[in-house]
Amino acid sequence: DAKTTQPNSMESNEEEPVHLPCNHSTISGTDYIHWYRQLPSQGPEYVIHGLTSNVNNRMASLAIAEDRKSSTLILHRATLRDAAVYYCILRERNYGQNFVFGPGTRLSVLP
Amino acid sequence: EPEVTQTPSHQVTQMGQEVILRCVPISNHLYFYWYRQILGQKVEFLVSFYNNEISEKSEIFDDQFSVERPDGSNFTLKIRSTKLEDSAMYFCASSGLRDTEAFFGQGTRLTVV
Repeated sequence: DAKTTQPNSMESNEEEPVHLPCNHSTISGTDYIHWYRQLPSQGPEYVIHGLTSNVNNRMASLAIAEDRKSSTLILHRATLRDAAVYYCILRERNYGQNFVFGPGTRLSVLP
Repeated sequence: EPEVTQTPSHQVTQMGQEVILRCVPISNHLYFYWYRQILGQKVEFLVSFYNNEISEKSEIFDDQFSVERPDGSNFTLKIRSTKLEDSAMYFCASSGLRDTEAFFGQGTRLTVV
């Protein structure tokens, strides 16, 4: 499985933007970049995913580097509810492959 | 909004007993998964299921584990003879087409005593 590297933890102030980085230098052309998050005592929750182009949805934006070796999840205005562990996961598009979770980035949001 | 539901939310069982964890995936989804998370550790893949058969499984998913989709709506994980180290949160997930996101349930906390 292609691997991702994320910082162990990050901190943000409430109502400020947060940029969560992910490195995936061994990504293949058929790997989708998925982001999930896990709030305390809950199951993982889908955030966003993309292949090559930047993506936006109601929760976040995903900025993908031109060479696809890195990506950034952007939360435009962090709220206290965004405090969670964020996982960047590569998933091969062709096989309905399982999601391989790493340790993720623990985001703390300060009031 | 459709969701994946899991029952029970918490199960306590004695070592050596069989347990069945139940999941109702989102109705039009095709791929089904079980994951587990030991307290304080990362989410680990157990097994994926497609077209009524296991499509992929991890080393954790040994002969003590089995999965079934008995009636077209439920998706179950059975542990035949539980061990203390099986204590964990177990998450069920489902996804539609191959390229789409997965939706996870809220989990079943299994405590083996």
